[in-house]
Amino acid sequence: DGGITQSPKYLFRKEGQNVTLSCEQNLNHDAMYWYRQDPGQGLRLIYYSQIVNDFQKGDIAEGYSVSREKKESFPLTVTSAQKNPTAFYLCASSRGTGENQPQHFGDGTRLSIL
Amino acid sequence: GNSVTQMEGPVTLSEEAFLTINCTYTATGYPSLFWYVQYPGEGLQLLLKATKADDKGSNKGFEATYRKETTSFHLEKGSVQVSDSAVYFCALTTYNNNDMRFGAGTRLTVKP
Repeated sequence: DGGITQSPKYLFRKEGQNVTLSCEQNLNHDAMYWYRQDPGQGLRLIYYSQIVNDFQKGDIAEGYSVSREKKESFPLTVTSAQKNPTAFYLCASSRGTGENQPQHFGDGTRLSIL
Repeated sequence: GNSVTQMEGPVTLSEEAFLTINCTYTATGYPSLFWYVQYPGEGLQLLLKATKADDKGSNKGFEATYRKETTSFHLEKGSVQVSDSAVYFCALTTYNNNDMRFGAGTRLTVKP
């Protein structure tokens, strides 16, 4: 079955440490996205990528970095510069960036600080 | 800018009750509108969508009609089940998906 796989499901970070969240899709989608979800809030866009080797900042990119070396993969690194990283992180993909294309989501990674 | 406002939760209903979750939007241009559902510990699943005025999206007994005159996209279901307990998000996009905006989500709990 096609879908989006995020790993790990739970992740713990020590102070001053960088961590990388994995996102892989086998839907052959061109566009991929990373969102942050905090309790009682909607999703906020961190980064997005429309094609391989290209990505753009979203609303809250500070303290995060991404890469898009392959169409299937869009890993997110939470750097030590992100002072409040505890959140639920969701990866999504869509066939393109047209407004009629729904986004498909992975099951998320919950990041906590030790 | 574009934005979505949902009714605040939580919403608690008894099984077989009628559900309405209000959603209104502000957007430039002509947005496409979506409802997503999130079950505990999972990502968002697309529930239904509407891409132009007066369109009705429907799925699994849920419906929502794109009302341009009231800038609304309210979610309804005639008879809810315990398995409908989840968080529901209203969302919109305009000319491209990079600008998808989500409401804050409404938590629904259905009691037997």
